[in-house]
Amino acid sequence: QVQLVQSGAEVKKPGASVKISCKASGYTFTDYGITWLRQAPTHGPEWMGWISTSNGNTNFAQKVQGRVTMTRDTSTSTVYMELRSLTSDDSAIYYCASSHVEADVFDFWGQGTLVTVSS
Amino acid sequence: IVMTQSPATLYVSPGERATLSCRASQSVRSRLAWYQQKPGLAPRLLIYAASTRATGIPARFSGSGSETEFTLTISSLQAEDFAVYYCQQYNNWYTFGQGTKLEIK
Repeated sequence: QVQLVQSGAEVKKPGASVKISCKASGYTFTDYGITWLRQAPTHGPEWMGWISTSNGNTNFAQKVQGRVTMTRDTSTSTVYMELRSLTSDDSAIYYCASSHVEADVFDFWGQGTLVTVSS
Repeated sequence: IVMTQSPATLYVSPGERATLSCRASQSVRSRLAWYQQKPGLAPRLLIYAASTRATGIPARFSGSGSETEFTLTISSLQAEDFAVYYCQQYNNWYTFGQGTKLEIK
C-alpha cells in the first residue's frame, strides 16, 4: 500500500531554516512526483511546490520562491523540503502528497509535520 | 484563481442531504477536486475532474458543475461524514477554498 511518512514536529526561531523529510513506500518512487503543501490553522491547504522524483526538476509557488529547496534521494525513496528565513507566518502543518489517480490531484498524503516558528 | 466556498458552516441532521458549493473566480473547466478533512488528519481526496469519485469513496458522495460553479452533494449523511470539506482547482496552478465545516444539527 502507498505510504508517505514524514519527519517529526519542529520548533524554530524566526530567521532559522527547517528541513522536513517524506519517505515513500508501496510504489515505484520515480513514477510519481511529490508535492508539498502547508496548512495554517483554520485555513485551507496551500500549494508550495513540486519535485519530480525521476529527474529532480522543481516548481515552486511564487510566495516561497527563493526560500525553498526540494531535493530527493532515490536510494532511500525520500524527498526533502527545506524552507529558509522562517517567520511566524510559516507556522503551519506541512504535508507531502502524491498524485496517482490523476495528475494535479492529491490522493496520497503524508501524516503532516507541524512547524512552529516562535521566538 | 480564488476559490470561494459556501456556506462556511452547514448544519445538517444525520440521514439528510448536504449540498456544499464552491465558486471559482475564473473558469477552471472541470479541473476541480473535493477533499474531506477530519481533525488531526490529512485531507482525503473524494472527487476529481468535478464528478469522478476517487477510489473507495462511497456512492453517497457526488460532484457536479463546470467552469466556475461546483457542488458537492452527500445524499444521506452518516456520522463519519461530519468534517471539513475543501474544493481545489488545478486548472491554473493549484488553489484551495477556505472550507465548509459540516456539523451535526
